[in-house]
Amino acid sequence: NAGVTQTPKFQVLKTGQSMTLQCAQDMNHNSMYWYRQDPGMGLRLIYYSASEGTTDKGEVPNGYNVSRLNKREFSLRLESAAPSQTSVYFCASSELRGAVGEQYFGPGTRLTVT
Amino acid sequence: KNEVEQSPQNLTAQEGEFITINCSYSVGISALHWLQQHPGGGIVSLFMLSSGKKKHGRLIATINIQEKHSSLHITASHPRDSAVYICAVGGYETSGSRLTFGEGTQLTVNP
Repeated sequence: NAGVTQTPKFQVLKTGQSMTLQCAQDMNHNSMYWYRQDPGMGLRLIYYSASEGTTDKGEVPNGYNVSRLNKREFSLRLESAAPSQTSVYFCASSELRGAVGEQYFGPGTRLTVT
Repeated sequence: KNEVEQSPQNLTAQEGEFITINCSYSVGISALHWLQQHPGGGIVSLFMLSSGKKKHGRLIATINIQEKHSSLHITASHPRDSAVYICAVGGYETSGSRLTFGEGTQLTVNP
């Protein structure tokens, strides 16, 4: 099993460009999450999907959209990138629906917006 | 005040030392997680606990629900334990499916 995979691993964008970060898990997990990690701050939740077909905003959703394409895949879209979105982005999944279970993290995407 | 506070922020130890990292939280929770972030950036779950104590190899995690406090202990520390250790809490008052994370403790174990 690959666990949680993310693409790309690195990305540089110019201000105003758009891109989609892809995440997939092969553990048949119900819940999936997108986090960002910035220096000096803890991981912060951007969006999550407690089950296939549902998505909810987290702590820092502004400037992002998500799609739970199916049970395996959960993508994060930046419509118009801004320098404040420079960060490391982690996708995670957990088995439990609507509750917090052990989370499995992807390797992260390092995004720089110039 | 953050919902999850970790101490210390940075910790340097000599190989073989017993290490303790502390986590205090201010809300009711259903579970507390300890995570390890490797120098390369990957994050792995070490423990999820809601009461008592769990042990895995040289790592021990304890939680006191009444005092809203958890500790992560590493016995016989080794340089490969050098990493950032992150405490996170979830459930009940933290909005359903969400986890709230501490800022992490940077541990360096010198040979």
